[in-house]
Amino acid sequence: GEDVEQSLFLSVREGDSSVINCTYTDSSSTYLYWYKQEPGAGLQLLTYIFSNMDMKQDQRLTVLLNKKDKHLSLRIADTQTGDSAIYFCAERPILTGGGNKLTFGTGTQLKVEL
Amino acid sequence: NAGVTQTPKFQVLKTGQSMTLQCAQDMNHNSMYWYRQDPGMGLRLIYYSASEGTTDKGEVPNGYNVSRLNKREFSLRLESAAPSQTSVYFCASSDPGNPPSPQHFGDGTRLSIL
Repeated sequence: GEDVEQSLFLSVREGDSSVINCTYTDSSSTYLYWYKQEPGAGLQLLTYIFSNMDMKQDQRLTVLLNKKDKHLSLRIADTQTGDSAIYFCAERPILTGGGNKLTFGTGTQLKVEL
Repeated sequence: NAGVTQTPKFQVLKTGQSMTLQCAQDMNHNSMYWYRQDPGMGLRLIYYSASEGTTDKGEVPNGYNVSRLNKREFSLRLESAAPSQTSVYFCASSDPGNPPSPQHFGDGTRLSIL
């Protein structure tokens, strides 16, 4: 079955770039998502990429996809204290058998220090 | 624009009590989902409903039941609560089109079983 892995913690200084990594194991055709969860809140969609893309940029966010290694990363430029949160990677196989189910990683806790 | 609404936000139960968590979405999505979130384990799918009138088990369905009341509403019931069900529960919805819409999440229900 599907498996999505992330490191649990990342600490960066304010103003630096953050890079959050994710690896997945399922089929070559898939959608991959990044969600952000602030304390006490639900998951907020940040961005997503289809596996026929290598890169997607949206303001301070850059998503890179290495299909060969099944490795996904989220880069946050000029990281701010408001970026402190848990970041989840999630995978959706193209043939999900109904229901648009996602498999989530364990989440990466990003801590931004002054 | 409410999106996905969950009630209640917090609940404390005694072991053996029952309760129903409510979820409603106003985005006219076909699919709805219930997840639980536990520390270090990411989100795990409990049940989902690919479309109105259908429900299916996810990764961790034991101890839970669901009802897709109509297109908008999807409830999760704990018949006899156990301390292992202490968790944060999230409801989500999406449209499994081509491309599929990302899942949109509610703010969660924080449930403690004593």
